[in-house]
Amino acid sequence: DQQVKQNSPSLSVQEGRISILNCDYTNSMFDYFLWYKKYPAEGPTFLISISSIKDKNEDGRFTVFLNKSAKHLSLHIVPSQPGDSAVYFCAANDMRFGAGTRLTVKP
Amino acid sequence: GAVVSQHPSWVICKSGTSVKIECRSLDFQATTMFWYRQFPKQSLMLMATSNEGSKATYEQGVEKDKFLINHASLTLSTLTVTSAHPEDSSFYICSATIGTGHNQPQHFGDGTRLSIL
Repeated sequence: DQQVKQNSPSLSVQEGRISILNCDYTNSMFDYFLWYKKYPAEGPTFLISISSIKDKNEDGRFTVFLNKSAKHLSLHIVPSQPGDSAVYFCAANDMRFGAGTRLTVKP
Repeated sequence: GAVVSQHPSWVICKSGTSVKIECRSLDFQATTMFWYRQFPKQSLMLMATSNEGSKATYEQGVEKDKFLINHASLTLSTLTVTSAHPEDSSFYICSATIGTGHNQPQHFGDGTRLSIL
């Protein structure tokens, strides 16, 4: 039972534009969400998180939005850079990950 | 800080052999470590939660006797794939959280690519 879902397997954006990565969850008991970035043949690295008591958390070019009523969160990257090209996973505090979205930022 | 080292990074072995993968927290104590498996172009699948000094908690569908986990110290957890077969070939990744805080980001090792011939 996939409780954290990323329905877009891939996303391609132009350098300088905004990247929006989406994640949906089903378990309303989740109270903490995290985004990770992963390069091939490496382990994921933590990017940004958000507690369910907030609806927005910002860290530099990265902002995560949480819509609890819709059980939806999104990661915004602006401006996008070629180095942001990677697979992005969202996760909830039960240590389970979404399927990932491969972001490609074109120069 | 918060470095997790995983060894080996790549291993090839014959079918029927057992393979041990080590996961170490280098600069912090990890009461809890996690083991994941990733198939090509798929997500990280949580296999088990490893607790120092106690038995690991396995996810549904993961064979305990196949994937032996030992967490003998606060800085080391090991995953042993016993009697490995080609279908066990995968990318295995461990992670750890600092302390026992509920909402803590995981720090991942760089993974082990296991190929069973």
